Amino acid sequence: DTEVTQTPKHLVMGMTNKKSLKCEQHMGHRAMYWYKQKAKKPPELMFVYSYEKLSINESVPSRFSPECPNSSLLNLHLHALQPEDSALYLCASSQVGPNTEAFFGQGTRLTVV
Amino acid sequence: AQSVTQLGSHVSVSEGALVLLRCNYSSSVPPYLFWYVQYPNQGLQLLLKYTSAATLVKGINGFEAEFKKSETSFHLTKPSAHMSDAAEYFCAVSEPQDMRFGAGTRLTVKP
Repeated sequence: DTEVTQTPKHLVMGMTNKKSLKCEQHMGHRAMYWYKQKAKKPPELMFVYSYEKLSINESVPSRFSPECPNSSLLNLHLHALQPEDSALYLCASSQVGPNTEAFFGQGTRLTVV
Repeated sequence: AQSVTQLGSHVSVSEGALVLLRCNYSSSVPPYLFWYVQYPNQGLQLLLKYTSAATLVKGINGFEAEFKKSETSFHLTKPSAHMSDAAEYFCAVSEPQDMRFGAGTRLTVKP
């Protein structure tokens, strides 16, 4: 199984809503990532978990809250988002160590209204 | 931090023509380099990665890339473009658990 599964595929939420994005992998990878991608732009790293511990937080606003409940799951909790947070949110996973490729999910298309 | 620069935000070729997508890296140590492809409304798929075992790296879908230390380049090529190659291509550099992408090059293939 070489898939990273993200749910939901599409999400529309109001600025006062609380929602969560979910990501799952069964490749035994111990590093998991959240990226944000705006239209016609490259993915921007948001968070990295290594062995279920947050290892990188790219100064992301606190309205985004990551969680790694176990080695296969990664969540991104969303609260009080702004319209400019609308984007494609990509989850990825990889082995821990140098020169390891990341495997990406299909993404969640988020629209904040 | 290491970075990559992709020259040309948009490349257009005819079907059957050579594809050349350019990527230069900035690193004082041997970098870990990758090429990814992204189709509309999809995630990213790995095309190939540089492993330092060979300077010419072969990937999926007929793509290959050559690592040139003297030019700090890792350009992606394909001898003959196919309509299905139309997509966004990203060069990336990785420090452990910190993969950074270039700005991307949109490839258009004309019939």
